[in-house]
Amino acid sequence: AQSVTQLGSHVSVSEGALVLLRCNYSSSVPPYLFWYVQYPNQGLQLLLKYTTGATLVKGINGFEAEFKKSETSFHLTKPSAHMSDAAEYFCAVSPAVGGSARQLTFGSGTQLTVLP
Amino acid sequence: DTAVSQTPKYLVTQMGNDKSIKCEQNLGHDTMYWYKQDSKKFLKIMFSYNNKELIINETVPNRFSPKSPDKAHLNLHINSLELGDSAVYFCASSPRISDTQYFGPGTRLTVL
Repeated sequence: AQSVTQLGSHVSVSEGALVLLRCNYSSSVPPYLFWYVQYPNQGLQLLLKYTTGATLVKGINGFEAEFKKSETSFHLTKPSAHMSDAAEYFCAVSPAVGGSARQLTFGSGTQLTVLP
Repeated sequence: DTAVSQTPKYLVTQMGNDKSIKCEQNLGHDTMYWYKQDSKKFLKIMFSYNNKELIINETVPNRFSPKSPDKAHLNLHINSLELGDSAVYFCASSPRISDTQYFGPGTRLTVL
């Protein structure tokens, strides 16, 4: 079984400030971890993913996330927020093994607002 | 050159009607999915097909029936629509099971 918890359904930051979106997961097997972004009235777009190897993962638009096994976390960060970053962000987990049972489980999402 | 496309983008219909949503991907992927996103933005998988074979069938009413005529298409047919079916439905595809999924733009279904 797997689950994802995103702390904070709404996060507001000022333009130029650090963005930190929190994600904790629970998985009985080693996970793959993802962050997706959803702009208004659009589908989901992959920001970054962790499968194996380096635990600090860099994605598009200046975002990065670090896989911390000991904390079961995969928090998303960006050093300096831009107005265009305003969107809904979803953390997701998929088991790394399991055959056809491997499926993506999403967190409840975090709405990021960027203030001028 | 849209990778994953869905039609229609908006669908407004009356309770009790039957409707279909179509999905096509031109990425050559083996696996396709249907997700439902409710009014609180919560995303939940409904179905997944791999090489036209149903591999994930979550607990959804049997009024929902997916159909995959070929690897590039996964359609969703809904019978006897209910108010609670109002949501945004997303199609997605991936090269293989558990690979990165690529999402379509969504279909906003409103049942009156």
